[in-house]
Amino acid sequence: GAVVSQHPSRVICKSGTSVKIECRSLDFQATTMFWYRQFPKQSLMLMATSNEGSKATYEQGVEKDKFLINHASLTLSTLTVTSAHPEDSSFYICSARSGGLAGGNEQFFGPGTRLTVL
Amino acid sequence: SQKIEQNSEALNIQEGKTATLTCNYTNYSPAYLQWYRQDPGRGPVFLLLIRENEKEKRKERLKVTFDTTLKQSLFHITASQPADSATYLCALVSARQLTFGSGTQLTVLP
Repeated sequence: GAVVSQHPSRVICKSGTSVKIECRSLDFQATTMFWYRQFPKQSLMLMATSNEGSKATYEQGVEKDKFLINHASLTLSTLTVTSAHPEDSSFYICSARSGGLAGGNEQFFGPGTRLTVL
Repeated sequence: SQKIEQNSEALNIQEGKTATLTCNYTNYSPAYLQWYRQDPGRGPVFLLLIRENEKEKRKERLKVTFDTTLKQSLFHITASQPADSATYLCALVSARQLTFGSGTQLTVLP
């Protein structure tokens, strides 16, 4: 299957700093990328959907000014957590979908980024 | 309100037995349903997809059923092995959006 990578895999930062997480589709072009957040023993919750070259669509309750998403190319999307606080500590997972794979319906997930805000 | 419920948070079974996981949903009309495996500290890995007009799908030791009348999907792992131990997530696709259940943590005991 297609491969999605995330970097970094793990990040620890101080409260008030900003953290950038990269998501790359390695062997396909991702027309749409998704960002999820997962708290321990809970489900993946969709934060936002981004299409290449356009603004991201955020889910209800997700602050767009705090979680900045950039999908500048068909293989790269970034999530920046601005002015991070301890409650932002979570597991952030991206996924990518290509219109040309599996009828355009299958999403491929990255390995996740563990963010810890001290 | 919309809900996706997976039958139990945790399931322990003996090696060699068949594991059966349940996913029930309410107030959705999914075009299709997917099952994923997630290991600790890792992203989900796609296993199987079943469409609304399909009753059953198989892949090696995995079998998925989809009953749109009962609004339920069953996920079976036959001849289970300790390496099958993981959290299994069902996810519904409706209007091209994927929504996950909270998962069932399966432990296969040797």
